[in-house]
Amino acid sequence: QSALTQPPSASGSPGQSVTISCSGTSRDVGGYNYVSWYQQLPGKAPKLMIYEVTKRPSGVPDRFSGSKSGNTASLTVSGLQAEDEADYYCSLYAGSNNFFGSGTKVTVL
Amino acid sequence: QVQLVESGGGVVQPGRSLRLSCAASGFTFSSYAMHWVRQAPGKGLEWVALITYDGINKYFADSVKGRFTISRDNSKNTVYLQMNSLRAEDTAVYYCARDRVVFPTGALGYWGQGSLVTVSS
Repeated sequence: QSALTQPPSASGSPGQSVTISCSGTSRDVGGYNYVSWYQQLPGKAPKLMIYEVTKRPSGVPDRFSGSKSGNTASLTVSGLQAEDEADYYCSLYAGSNNFFGSGTKVTVL
Repeated sequence: QVQLVESGGGVVQPGRSLRLSCAASGFTFSSYAMHWVRQAPGKGLEWVALITYDGINKYFADSVKGRFTISRDNSKNTVYLQMNSLRAEDTAVYYCARDRVVFPTGALGYWGQGSLVTVSS
């Protein structure tokens, strides 16, 4: 089973940027481009924010962006707003398997 | 609009079985792969299972392999998760989810509200 490692927490003041990393290996993150990011508010179902590393579903603000370098994918939230405070999860789809990262709690100071 | 509604959760004793259902509407159900994802209380997301659009291919997380099965009835627009030999560590909210597009990429653009399963004696 793959393990996608995320920092447990990240924070920033309103208007600042925060970047969350999702680290894997060449056998998972480094080998596939089906990396997605989800936002989860307390008590709610996750919401898809980024798919295929860099793409945004319609309705997701362009403050959210994704990237990948080597075995690490990243989600950047620019111009932080209070409503961005949530848990964020990366995930990787590798055909017959789907893995989630450990999750990062983003706090807006 | 796309709607996914889970049902069948509840309290069950260790070793017993439970079946979850997920009723879909607002899209051509028979064209999409469907997933189950769970979240233990206060913990992160864990992918559980995937079934392809035609029900032929099924994939499971190692943690549930051999105990859980996934099936679908395209005539009823419903996907099921049969959970056998339940353990305390299976306690979680179970979500069904759909890929954004017909070709599965793991980008789960639609989720149900979740169904709580509690395994306890």
